Amino acid sequence: QSALTQPASVSGSPGQSITIPCTGTNSDVGSFNLVSWYQQYPGKAPTLIISEVSRRPSGVSDRFSGSKSGNTASLTISALQAEDEANYYCCSYAGHQTLAYVFGSGTSVAVL
Amino acid sequence: QVQLQESGPGLVTPSDTLSLTCTVSGASLTGSSWSWVRQPAGGGLEWVGRFYRGRTYKNVSLLSRLTMSLDTSKRQLYLRLSSVTAADTAVYFCARDIYGSGSYLDVWGQGARVTVSP
Repeated sequence: QSALTQPASVSGSPGQSITIPCTGTNSDVGSFNLVSWYQQYPGKAPTLIISEVSRRPSGVSDRFSGSKSGNTASLTISALQAEDEANYYCCSYAGHQTLAYVFGSGTSVAVL
Repeated sequence: QVQLQESGPGLVTPSDTLSLTCTVSGASLTGSSWSWVRQPAGGGLEWVGRFYRGRTYKNVSLLSRLTMSLDTSKRQLYLRLSSVTAADTAVYFCARDIYGSGSYLDVWGQGARVTVSP
């Protein structure tokens, strides 16, 4: 199972919006609305920020939103803040045959 | 509040078996699904496997080497990875896996660092 494709880095100024794409295949992202997103600060464990493409867990800022079109899922961070500087990973259910998850390669977000 | 805490030896000799424990509080072990995820230094996340309803589901790259189990009396999950090499050096996380009704990992442990070296 190959990793989902994410850009290595994305940057933006405070207050701007940025979007992180996550590209998979017809076997994972394209077949299931089961994409989740995780935020990870250096040296810390990942935390869930989006589940099932666009659901925000309780306590997660509404500046984070998710969407999907075809084989590509996206995470948008609106009104960018310094605290959003972190690594972001997408993850997709990879099918009923493997019952596995496949993660994205990860994107480092820089707030300029 | 669900909390997870990984533990294990920080150093494992090549070709030996890596053993990790995840201690769970605040959730039913048998009523939930549990996954392990690993992350090499400076690298991305890799799903290792899931323990669900008494069965183990594995990353296909680890099929022959991976064993997972749980002990409800101790409230612990276990991961065993045999015949380790330097490529298995990573931080290993356990996580509650909301499998079957969303497929996401909603609570994570802090991680256990494992180095495979002579």
